[in-house]
Amino acid sequence: NAGVTQTPKFRILKIGQSMTLQCAQDMNHNYMYWYRQDPGMGLKLIYYSVGAGITDKGEVPNGYNVSRSTTEDFPLRLELAAPSQTSVYFCASSSNGDRGYYGYTFGSGTRLTVV
Amino acid sequence: GESVGLHLPTLSVQEGDNSIINCAYSNSASDYFIWYKQESGKGPQFIIDIRSNMDKRQGQRVTVLLNKTVKHLSLQIAATQPGDSAVYFCAEDASGTYKYIFGTGTRLKVLA
Repeated sequence: NAGVTQTPKFRILKIGQSMTLQCAQDMNHNYMYWYRQDPGMGLKLIYYSVGAGITDKGEVPNGYNVSRSTTEDFPLRLELAAPSQTSVYFCASSSNGDRGYYGYTFGSGTRLTVV
Repeated sequence: GESVGLHLPTLSVQEGDNSIINCAYSNSASDYFIWYKQESGKGPQFIIDIRSNMDKRQGQRVTVLLNKTVKHLSLQIAATQPGDSAVYFCAEDASGTYKYIFGTGTRLKVLA
């Protein structure tokens, strides 16, 4: 089925380790996003991309990096993991509005624990 | 800064009753709003949207009302069912660039 695929679903990291959260969409969406969701909280934007080769910071970019070499993929890189990065990470993509619907399609999330 | 907020963090409703979830937004320039449903362990799922040139929009068992005068958004769920139990988020597009601002969410509990 078409949608947004995130891997892995769960991960435990030690402080100082690095990892890449993968995100891929097959809907030919130009816009892609990374959000984090802390327990009992709303979603905060980390990074976003409006097309291949273009990325920009969101509300909470510190400690993260992204790249967008293709339309389909938008990986999120954590360098030197810290306990404050323990969260659930959601990738999303957005249509270009040609159906009159501008909302996101979300992946199922990656639950990350840093110990 | 500009943000979207919710009045009630938890709402308990009897099965079969109607539910109303409220949201206040602060940016009068926002022109597009969405309600999302998030079930436990899953990503948010689109429910219904509304543009600022409308004050009401209906879907299947759901209605969104927009009051621009007081910057208030509500989601009404008719005949609430156990499957409606989830966290509901409102989100606003405050910049027209598809960068949505999300509220903290309201948890809806449906009582049998």
